[in-house]
Amino acid sequence: AQKITQTQPGMFVQEKEAVTLDCTYDTSDPSYGLFWYKQPSSGEMIFLIYQGSYDQQNATEGRYSLNFQKARKSANLVISASQLGDSAMYFCAMREVPIVYSGAGSYQLTFGKGTKLSVIP
Amino acid sequence: GAGVSQSPRYKVAKRGQDVALRCDPISGHVSLFWYQQALGQGPEFLTYFQNEAQLDKSGLPSDRFFAERPEGSVSTLKIQRTQQEDSAVYLCASSLEEVRDRTPNEQFFGPGTRLTVL
Repeated sequence: AQKITQTQPGMFVQEKEAVTLDCTYDTSDPSYGLFWYKQPSSGEMIFLIYQGSYDQQNATEGRYSLNFQKARKSANLVISASQLGDSAMYFCAMREVPIVYSGAGSYQLTFGKGTKLSVIP
Repeated sequence: GAGVSQSPRYKVAKRGQDVALRCDPISGHVSLFWYQQALGQGPEFLTYFQNEAQLDKSGLPSDRFFAERPEGSVSTLKIQRTQQEDSAVYLCASSLEEVRDRTPNEQFFGPGTRLTVL
């Protein structure tokens, strides 16, 4: 079974500042992937960044970076230079990533409860 | 190109009514997932299709929930005899076929259907 924990229900950040959103996880899968999604008030889930458990380097995508600490089972999202448009719900998620693909796996995402980020002008 | 679309965007049902929620995945996407997102919570997995085959329905909360994807493209999630606890946003996601080890394909989400059961 997989579990994602996001302990910050809400966060505030000043525009142009950096912010870290926390995520810890638990899994028995030997190989897995961690994802961050943004959900604006419109409701659509927008993929931000991905980190594989076997990746040697932390993932980065533009202003997003993932601080992956495997021993601590944490995968925190760092947003640099916050913008007003960053105000949204942010979800950490994970799934098994097979070492050998069997062709019939489900590989659904397990999500945390989310963190509501508010960017203050 | 077009993303994942869902209809209706909003649905209000009286308790006991049957509802049908539609998902149009991205063309060519083999995998299709349904998730349920209760208010203030993260999405929770309901069921998974690979083409027309429903390979995993372990997340369906009761036998009142039924999903199908008869031709491997459009999918319908049906809820019979709706209850107030069924009120949630129902999200559909699709992705390409997983063919490479340790390289997951991105799941593309639709805008969701907000179901309110009175």
